[in-house]
Amino acid sequence: EAQVTQNPRYLITVTGKKLTVTCSQNMNHEYMSWYRQDPGLGLRQIYYSMNVEVTDKGDVPEGYKVSRKEKRNFPLILESPSPNQTSLYFCASSQPGQGGKLFFGSGTQLSVL
Amino acid sequence: GQSLEQPSEVTAVEGAIVQINCTYQTSGFYGLSWYQQHDGGAPTFLSYNALDGLEETGRFSSFLSRSDSYGYLLLQELQMKDSASYFCAVRGVSGAGSYQLTFGKGTKLSVIP
Repeated sequence: EAQVTQNPRYLITVTGKKLTVTCSQNMNHEYMSWYRQDPGLGLRQIYYSMNVEVTDKGDVPEGYKVSRKEKRNFPLILESPSPNQTSLYFCASSQPGQGGKLFFGSGTQLSVL
Repeated sequence: GQSLEQPSEVTAVEGAIVQINCTYQTSGFYGLSWYQQHDGGAPTFLSYNALDGLEETGRFSSFLSRSDSYGYLLLQELQMKDSASYFCAVRGVSGAGSYQLTFGKGTKLSVIP
């Protein structure tokens, strides 16, 4: 089954404790991206990647890191999480030429205390 | 940069037709997408317009006017299960030559009996 898999689904952590949210897709998509969703603000892009070893900042990249060492994986790293990073995070992938059709993971609800 | 405007809330009666508008400003333009998101769920792709005109997919249609930087999503024969948030998203061009997908803040549609 074609899917984007994010883990974990829920995460509670404390300020400053490094964490990684994993994202994997099995559709051989070139394009992957991370979004955060906050009430009233919609989906805001954090980082995106056009292909392996090619990443670029989205609209809200501060406090986040990403890497794209393999085509299928695109982890999101918070080196020193802060409470303002408490949010719902979505990973998504697509294939260029598919008309902007993103496939989303199930989301990760992160709480930073 | 890119920005999108859509109404925050819309209420409509079951069986009726509703139109959700989206206006955008973007540097470079590849297309306008629409996504549906139910509470607690991930966004799912509905439609994509790269060229002017109407695209129809079952009960849902999407329209684009590039000269007016405007599009809309039309939902016909509304059903209770259509109660959800709807996001428009635009593909633009970043300075690096790759592309970003920017979302509007979403329109919460409530379908009432």
